[in-house]
Amino acid sequence: GENVEQHPSTLSVQEGDSAVIKCTYSDSASNYFPWYKQELGKRPQLIIDIRSNVGEKKDQRIAVTLNKTAKHFSLHITETQPEDSAVYFCAASPKDTGGGADGLTFGKGTHLIIQP
Amino acid sequence: DTEVTQTPKHLVMGMTNKKSLKCEQHMGHRAMYWYKQKAKKPPELMFVYSYEKLSINESVPSRFSPECPNSSLLNLHLHALQPEDSALYLCASSHRAVNTGELFFGEGSRLTVL
Repeated sequence: GENVEQHPSTLSVQEGDSAVIKCTYSDSASNYFPWYKQELGKRPQLIIDIRSNVGEKKDQRIAVTLNKTAKHFSLHITETQPEDSAVYFCAASPKDTGGGADGLTFGKGTHLIIQP
Repeated sequence: DTEVTQTPKHLVMGMTNKKSLKCEQHMGHRAMYWYKQKAKKPPELMFVYSYEKLSINESVPSRFSPECPNSSLLNLHLHALQPEDSALYLCASSHRAVNTGELFFGEGSRLTVL
């Protein structure tokens, strides 16, 4: 099955600086890569996703890049703000073959701390 | 309605009890999931109901059993649980298979096994 590695486990940045979180995956059949943000005591919420036919996607201060050859993808947050403090999970999912979904495989998470 | 509704929000049970967690969505999604999340850990997939078929993570013990009465409901029956089963149980749904779009999570049911 799929294995997703995520680094770093904790990331502390000054408010206004950029943050980068990196993930690698093992299954070359995976073709969907979402990122979830989970605030303390709350549910995970999708913040951005990318599919394997795209190399980069941006949404305001958040961007995701994908390198299919190297099997890694990264989350970039620019101009960080205190409300960006949370745990971020990357995930990967294989192509739907029509036989039922395998569900997402998550990385271990990155605790992002924005220092004022 | 973009909500996945889970009940109860909190549950405390003894090791000999039988209880159920309920999950409902009215978004017309065809895939539903149960995940288990321990503190400071990622969600771990337990069950998937998709294309009218139930898929089970083989590492999930038989004291957890899912039930899908219809396409908008996915319940999780609990029996003879252990203290290590204490966790946040997250239900989720997606339009079809998870890689066709966003996975919507419910707020979770926090389970404590005494």
